[in-house]
Amino acid sequence: ETGVTQTPRHLVMGMTNKKSLKCEQHLGHNAMYWYKQSAKKPLELMFVYNFKEQTENNSVPSRFSPECPNSSHLFLHLHTLQPEDSALYLCASSQGDLAGGYEQYFGPGTRLTVT
Amino acid sequence: EDQVTQSPEALRLQEGESSSLNCSYTVSGLRGLFWYRQDPGKGPEFLFTLYSAGEEKEKERLKATLTKKESFLHITAPKPEDSATYLCAVNDAAGNKLTFGGGTRVLVKP
Repeated sequence: ETGVTQTPRHLVMGMTNKKSLKCEQHLGHNAMYWYKQSAKKPLELMFVYNFKEQTENNSVPSRFSPECPNSSHLFLHLHTLQPEDSALYLCASSQGDLAGGYEQYFGPGTRLTVT
Repeated sequence: EDQVTQSPEALRLQEGESSSLNCSYTVSGLRGLFWYRQDPGKGPEFLFTLYSAGEEKEKERLKATLTKKESFLHITAPKPEDSATYLCAVNDAAGNKLTFGGGTRVLVKP
């Protein structure tokens, strides 16, 4: 595997379900990110992790819960979502965090549909 | 609050017809301006980082330039494979935000 991988690529879940999105980066980077991309809206930064520590939570509802067990893996745990949470969820990584001005490398995303 | 506005929203070009995309930004101190390309169903692909006004970077048919208020992405003699959505993002001096614009969808017809 190379670059940034995400699983699953597609997910359909009911509002009462619990599911998790997984991201893995094979680039030796230290920072990882979760983004939400909705139709007709710009990419929204959700969470930032640097050396496994969360450094940014962009006012994201608590029904989204991130986990970063090490610098290579990032999870997004989902529970009791709303239909408006349907979107493309993108994971990214960079050599250093945002303060260093490093470019980010993105995974292919998970297309989430909440029914 | 940082703001990024991209124009036009959509651009249809004939193959070989050069054009420019605009990214206007308002930021409290620019740490970096990034250009990405995104194909349908895929994540954004990094193209360029620009750090200071007057800086220019090139890659194949693409050239990015930066002033104190905006950046341009010039596409010279585009080919159909240049069709994509081009995204601009800024990182402010505080370093804890990356704000994206809405993107410009480019379609190059043969």
